[in-house]
Amino acid sequence: EIVLTQSPSTLSLSSGERATLSCRASESISTYLVWYQQRPGQAPRLLIYDASTRATGIPARFSGSGSGTDFTLTISRLEPEDFAVYYCQQRGNWPVTFGQGTRLEIK
Amino acid sequence: EVHLVESGGGLVQPGGSLRLSCAASGFTFGSFAMNWVRQAPGKGLEWVSSISINGGSTYYLDSVKGRFTISRDNAMKILFLQMKNLRAEDTALYYCAKVAVPGYSSSPSHFDSWGQGTPVTVSS
Repeated sequence: EIVLTQSPSTLSLSSGERATLSCRASESISTYLVWYQQRPGQAPRLLIYDASTRATGIPARFSGSGSGTDFTLTISRLEPEDFAVYYCQQRGNWPVTFGQGTRLEIK
Repeated sequence: EVHLVESGGGLVQPGGSLRLSCAASGFTFGSFAMNWVRQAPGKGLEWVSSISINGGSTYYLDSVKGRFTISRDNAMKILFLQMKNLRAEDTALYYCAKVAVPGYSSSPSHFDSWGQGTPVTVSS
């Protein structure tokens, strides 16, 4: 199975700062990489699919990049509602796998 | 608006069984593959199973193969997960998730709508 490793595990930043989250795949998955946001007590929310395409209704401050094995989610200027846990997911091969998550917390 | 409402979770002893349901509305249920994803308390997301639009293709996490069965009733717009021989490590919040792109595909997809989950606790 394809293992996804997210870094850092926790990222402490302030509102208005730029956040950069990483996801590395154990083998190439082309651009079949997805990002979700999960706020406490809520279901995951689709942010980015196919590495760089924003889902419907997702603000432009969220952007994704990468291909092959290395991917990045960037939040250009953090808003208070952005502090949450972020997961990457690969859809290149069965079984579907998720990264372990990056917790974005308020500094 | 898409609505996915899971039910059927609860407390069960190791070795026991449960049947989860996910009632769907707000979209053409029979046109989308569906999935179950779980989240153990305080842990990350783990995909469990997927089913194609007509139920002809199913996929499972290795650790649940032979114990869990995914199925769907397109007329009633309900997704199911029959779970048998449950183990403590199956304890989690179980989410129903809809894929984003309609139609048949033999490849995995991304999930654009999720329910709120139903909790399963396996303990004696």
